[in-house]
Amino acid sequence: NAGVTQTPKFQVLKTGQSMTLQCAQDMNHEYMSWYRQDPGMGLRLIHYSVGAGITDQGEVPNGYNVSRSTTEDFPLRLLSAAPSQTSVYFCASSPARRANSPLHFGNGTRLTVT
Amino acid sequence: AQTVTQSQPEMSVQEAETVTLSCTYDTSESDYYLFWYKQPPSRQMILVIRQEAYKQQNATENRFSVNFQKAAKSFSLKISDSQLGDAAMYFCAYRRTGNQFYFGTGTSLTVIP
Repeated sequence: NAGVTQTPKFQVLKTGQSMTLQCAQDMNHEYMSWYRQDPGMGLRLIHYSVGAGITDQGEVPNGYNVSRSTTEDFPLRLLSAAPSQTSVYFCASSPARRANSPLHFGNGTRLTVT
Repeated sequence: AQTVTQSQPEMSVQEAETVTLSCTYDTSESDYYLFWYKQPPSRQMILVIRQEAYKQQNATENRFSVNFQKAAKSFSLKISDSQLGDAAMYFCAYRRTGNQFYFGTGTSLTVIP
């Protein structure tokens, strides 16, 4: 049972480069989300989705795009990387119809933008 | 927007002692869910305990228990018989019925041998 799989674990980008963080889950969860974690700021929601074809913005969406073409996959795209996007990124999923269910997290991606 | 506040950036506890981590939240909803997550240095996010707002009984999971005060909007985590493996960052989280989760800024717990 893989749960939530995030790749890569580490990434270094130069300013202006683009990349995609991959996220896949095998639990048939409707809800998927991306967070960034910065020291002293906790986890902040970037984008989320409640099902295939449906996405919405979270608290800090600028500079990021998402799509949800299947239930399993929810990639996060950085369009033009900036040093302010240096952070640890988490993908997480949860059943949408069981509100007492927790978020299931991937192992995170540490991204450094130079 | 809902907010979750963890007012203790850092805490420390002697091994085998008890420590309580604080969490307060702001909401106008009556139905919601609360969680505590542990993040050890490995960066993995691990669910510690959960509480449904409609339940008056405080949740317990082995050495971990909560003190849920709905009227005060308080959700503290008590760790009994602290162990070295409990050293981690702890995050309080709130889930509204519309799926979104909101996290506090975390409390870094040090366990002193």
